[in-house]
Formats: sequence, structure tokens, C-alpha cells
Amino acid sequence: GQQLNQSPQSMFIQEGEDVSMNCTSSSIFNTWLWYKQDPGEGPVLLIALYKAGELTSNGRLTAQFGITRKDSFLNISASIPSDVGIYFCAPWGNKLVFGAGTILRVKS
Amino acid sequence: EAQVTQNPRYLITVTGKKLTVTCSQNMNHEYMSWYRQDPGLGLRQIYYSMNVEVTDKGDVPEGYKVSRKEKRNFPLILESPSPNQTSLYFCASALDLLSSYNSPLHFGNGTRLTVT
Repeated sequence: GQQLNQSPQSMFIQEGEDVSMNCTSSSIFNTWLWYKQDPGEGPVLLIALYKAGELTSNGRLTAQFGITRKDSFLNISASIPSDVGIYFCAPWGNKLVFGAGTILRVKS
Repeated sequence: EAQVTQNPRYLITVTGKKLTVTCSQNMNHEYMSWYRQDPGLGLRQIYYSMNVEVTDKGDVPEGYKVSRKEKRNFPLILESPSPNQTSLYFCASALDLLSSYNSPLHFGNGTRLTVT
């Protein structure tokens, strides 16, 4: 079956720092989605990527769909306390799968 | 307000006692799905439904049942819960399966189930 690796597992950073996380897979996907889960809530879509090589920004968030279609990264610039939560990559092939998540904690 | 509503938010039960977690959406979505979230494993799909009376197994369907008698409701049934079903459960819906990468999955706020 397909393998999806999301890293890092967790990060504990200082407010104001930039954050980078990524997902790699053994399979090719047509779409990469990134979700964020706030504590005590369900995941919410942050960014969607539809084309290999696509680079998309949403405020302080930037995500890229890898050229090989097997990977994606998400960057958060100038982190703030409300960035805390779990971030999931969710590539779409013939179905939507979720990475294991990156837990982000921010020290203010 | 457009939303996916799950009940209950928290549930503690004993092994073997049948339970149902309800899920309702008010967005007229065709596609609905159940996930369980476990540390280090992310979200794993249990069952999904592409429309009324159409349900299919996801990646971890063992020990679960679902039904989709009407569009808005998609209950998750555990006929004989066991401790390994202790988890955080999420219901989600989308306009339809084919467009769900354009119209994103909307998640409920989760049900934390403990089976002792």
C-alpha cells in the first residue's frame, strides 16, 4: 500500500520563528491538501494544491506541490501563539489519505 | 450556520455495550465519512458514504457499522465495543466525492470515546 510520511512529528518553537514541515510518499497524487486541527476541534482546510510544482500562499502560510507529485511542504512564517495545533497533509489520489500529523507548539 | 454536528462529545462505556455516535450535517452534502484519530497514526477512514443508502468500507472498518437512511445523518454504530476502539472520532462531509478536493471536507468537533 501507499506510504505517507509526515515530518517532523512535533515542533516546539519560539514565537516569531518560521516553521517548515513536509510530507513524502511512495505514491503519486493529483492533489495535496493541508489541514490544521485546533485543540478540541476538527481539522480545517488551510491550503489546496492542484498542480505539480504549484506554490501557493495564504497569508503567512506557503505550501508547494512537489514536481514528482510525491511530496509537499508547508511553511509558516513569523509564527504566533494561535498557530498551535496539529497540521496534517492530506494527498488525494483515488481517495483522501491523511499524514500522521505535525504537532506545533509555540512559546511566547 | 453551516456545520457538522456530532454527539456526544465525550463517551465512556464498557466492553460489549452497544453504542451509537450520531452525525448530522446541514449543508445538503452528498459525501459523508467517519475517521478515527490516534496518536502517531493521523486520521484513518472507517466508513464513508457517497449518497443516501450507499456506504463503503474505509481503511479500518472492523468493529463498526454505519447507515445512511437520509442525506443529513450518518451514525456510527459500535455493536460490541472493545478497548482498542478507544479513540477520537470525527465525522466529515463534503459536497460530493469527486469535488471534495475543491469543496473541502467539513469536520465535526469530534467524539472522544473510552471503552473500559
